[in-house]
Amino acid sequence: RKEVEQDPGPFNVPEGATVAFNCTYSNSASQSFFWYRQDCRKEPKLLMSVYSSGNEDGRFTAQLNRASQYISLLIRDSKLSDSATYLCVVNVAPTGFQKLVFGTGTRLLVSP
Amino acid sequence: DGGITQSPKYLFRKEGQNVTLSCEQNLNHDAMYWYRQDPGQGLRLIYYSQIVNDFQKGDIAEGYSVSREKKESFPLTVTSAQKNPTAFYLCASSIRPGTAINTEAFFGQGTRLTVV
Repeated sequence: RKEVEQDPGPFNVPEGATVAFNCTYSNSASQSFFWYRQDCRKEPKLLMSVYSSGNEDGRFTAQLNRASQYISLLIRDSKLSDSATYLCVVNVAPTGFQKLVFGTGTRLLVSP
Repeated sequence: DGGITQSPKYLFRKEGQNVTLSCEQNLNHDAMYWYRQDPGQGLRLIYYSQIVNDFQKGDIAEGYSVSREKKESFPLTVTSAQKNPTAFYLCASSIRPGTAINTEAFFGQGTRLTVV
């Protein structure tokens, strides 16, 4: 089983739609979680960290479910500019250390 | 401006040659990482370092070597033993957990290596 798994997509949605991505992780001791965005042929950039209580940043909401070992990303009112690949990232190292493992990414295509 | 710099942006290598990719950061981060990305695939961890003079193998370390003699620098050597080196190489750095709330990684712009 992979340490971090994502549905590769692509998810094709119209502008204004709400779309959700899930990501599962295998190491129950994982400490911290992130969503990154990667545009074609560019480096990944942090979209948001994922906190236990869930967190929201504008149109984006991230949730963590430790019992089921998954994190989610919800995008509301999709924009054309949201088209990108969304990477789930998990720190799988023991406490006090960091080893970041990336999922393969979920591709989102927002159409007019 | 603080950031992480990779060079060169594009690199061509002949088969059988070793090549070194540069990664420098001025963010005062302890941890640094090297990832490889193949077309249409995710990032795979090659090596990572939590602190100066220490580093660990990631999931695909064979055919690669690194050093961490300075906090700011984490060069990656792609050796001739790496059978399929053509890829997009990404370097990242982060604060060590326990020193800040957010420990996200910041990436350089990457180096595209092509074996010719």
